[in-house]
Amino acid sequence: SSELTQDPAVSVALGQTVRITCQGDSLRNYYASWYQQKPGQAPILVIYGETNRPSGIPDRFSGSSSGNTASLTITGAQAEDEADYYCNSRDSSGNGYVFGSGTKVTVL
Amino acid sequence: EVQLVESGGGLIQPGGSLRLSCAASGFIVSSNHMSWVRQAPGKGLEWVSLIYSGGSTYYADSVKGRFTISRDNSKNTLYLQMNSLRAEDTAVYYCARGVTGTVREFDIWGQGTMVTVSS
Repeated sequence: SSELTQDPAVSVALGQTVRITCQGDSLRNYYASWYQQKPGQAPILVIYGETNRPSGIPDRFSGSSSGNTASLTITGAQAEDEADYYCNSRDSSGNGYVFGSGTKVTVL
Repeated sequence: EVQLVESGGGLIQPGGSLRLSCAASGFIVSSNHMSWVRQAPGKGLEWVSLIYSGGSTYYADSVKGRFTISRDNSKNTLYLQMNSLRAEDTAVYYCARGVTGTVREFDIWGQGTMVTVSS
């Protein structure tokens, strides 16, 4: 079965840059998406199709990908960016999905 | 306004059944692919089931044979019928939209509905 691996936690100083990575074989064939989830709230889409940002998402959020690794970068992190971030892609069958285990981002 | 509103969660005994609903507004459910995603308490997100605009359905191995995804086009509503429920099915269940013909996945989420399986 497909798996996506994320670091459990990262921290970043206010205004600095942090990169969150997501590794998995499915990323060689399918685009990654990224979701932000704050406590007690539903996830929201922040990046889709590896690099696209939905309207309303600040441009400090950006996505990239290379080989089996996708990355989400927050450039100039703000206090409100403190949240759990999940990556996601189609699974190896192409008719299901897999989520990463999530990365907790702490803004210091 | 584009939104999804889930309902139907609650406390159910192991082995019981429950049907979740997800009412959509601002877009047409049958023109998109729709999924159910769940999150156990304190855990990460887990994809559960998918229905394509054409009607094909797919399930995670953990729920295959027990859960059924469907939709009512006249009500613009998505459903998840859950049978033979187990303690490990306890989670917040979200419905989410994928835009057919694009790579825009899970772009709209509902607020979630809690399912607790316990005796």
